[in-house]
Amino acid sequence: GQNIDQPTEMTATEGAIVQINCTYQTSGFNGLFWYQQHAGEAPTFLSYNVLDGLEEKGRFSSFLSRSKGYSYLLLKELQMKDSASYLCACPLPGGYNKLIFGAGTRLAVHP
Amino acid sequence: KAGVTQTPRYLIKTRGQQVTLSCSPISGHRSVSWYQQTPGQGLQFLFEYFSETQRNKGNFPGRFSGRQFSNSRSEMNVSTLELGDSALYLCASSLDRGQDEQYFGPGTRLTVT
Repeated sequence: GQNIDQPTEMTATEGAIVQINCTYQTSGFNGLFWYQQHAGEAPTFLSYNVLDGLEEKGRFSSFLSRSKGYSYLLLKELQMKDSASYLCACPLPGGYNKLIFGAGTRLAVHP
Repeated sequence: KAGVTQTPRYLIKTRGQQVTLSCSPISGHRSVSWYQQTPGQGLQFLFEYFSETQRNKGNFPGRFSGRQFSNSRSEMNVSTLELGDSALYLCASSLDRGQDEQYFGPGTRLTVT
């Protein structure tokens, strides 16, 4: 079966670093996406990993371990505007545009 | 470049009615996917259209259907609405070159009373 797990909520302090974990079980693997969704808004793309390792993009980095079925999103120098839900997603068999999403991790950044 | 647009943004219907939602993808994007987002179930894949053909389908009843036009615009229809259909319906478009990301529209908030 297909399953993606993420923590439901996390809190962090402005300026700090936070790591949001995601574990997945999918039949076949075509990479893993991270999306950010602010309350009342559409999800926006953050990163895509298909090979093992860390990919850095500014304050955000994403890591993948295919052997462990594990990924994390690392947010550095947290800002208040980073308060949002972070969604982990994998393409289902049949195509990249058929995504299964985790329930999302709601991150609250406090001053 | 204009983003994905969805109309209407908000909709209130009563049980038993039907509803049609519209999505205009980013210019040049031929793949359009639809998702349902609820607090309890999160984001769930409904179906994907590419070149006017349904290419993938999620696990939703037949009351949920869609289509895509030659200009890549897409519509989804829900017939015989149930209270549980209340949700945010999101459409997403992509260039469909493999691992291209999907760009999401702002969604249509459907409330069924």
